[in-house]
Amino acid sequence: GNSVTQMEGPVTLSEEAFLTINCTYTATGYPSLFWYVQYPGEGLQLLLKATKADDKGSNKGFEATYRKETTSFHLEKGSVQVSDSAVYFCALGGSARQLTFGSGTQLTVLP
Amino acid sequence: GAGVSQSPRYKVAKRGQDVALRCDPISGHVSLFWYQQALGQGPEFLTYFQNEAQLDKSGLPSDRFFAERPEGSVSTLKIQRTQQEDSAVYLCASSLVGSLRETQYFGPGTRLLVL
Repeated sequence: GNSVTQMEGPVTLSEEAFLTINCTYTATGYPSLFWYVQYPGEGLQLLLKATKADDKGSNKGFEATYRKETTSFHLEKGSVQVSDSAVYFCALGGSARQLTFGSGTQLTVLP
Repeated sequence: GAGVSQSPRYKVAKRGQDVALRCDPISGHVSLFWYQQALGQGPEFLTYFQNEAQLDKSGLPSDRFFAERPEGSVSTLKIQRTQQEDSAVYLCASSLVGSLRETQYFGPGTRLLVL
């Protein structure tokens, strides 16, 4: 079946540091890949997505590239801000319609 | 209109009680999903509707869990004879047609605590 393995947290960075959160997946067929973010006290929000191999999703300075050869979808941001502090979830959308999520990575950015 | 809404936001139940959790999807969204999120974990799929049809209920953990969407809009997740292991956040999501490339829009969740 489908599965998502996500870098464990928590991750603590200083403001303006570079961020990478690793995500790898196992799936049959041609899944879509998503990053969702959960800010404190709020619901899950889509951050970015990619629907086919070599696609790059980007939003709010975050980027992730769908790498079929390494089955990865790592999240990166060049310069994090305090307001980026949240829990980040990598997710996979397969033929069964539902999303399969990783376990989440807690990011804290210190001023 | 607005996003996905869920009620109640918090529910405390005594073990053995029945609970009902409501989800109002985005207007016009055909597909509706329920997920369960345990503390410190990612959401896990429970069940999926397309309009009023429940197309997949493979994630429901036991026959104490039941979901319905009788008119293809509002959905209710019912848990009978609640157990402590049912304590979790229950998330509802909707999408326009339910294709695998579509974004699912999530509600704020209902946090259930079973004592």
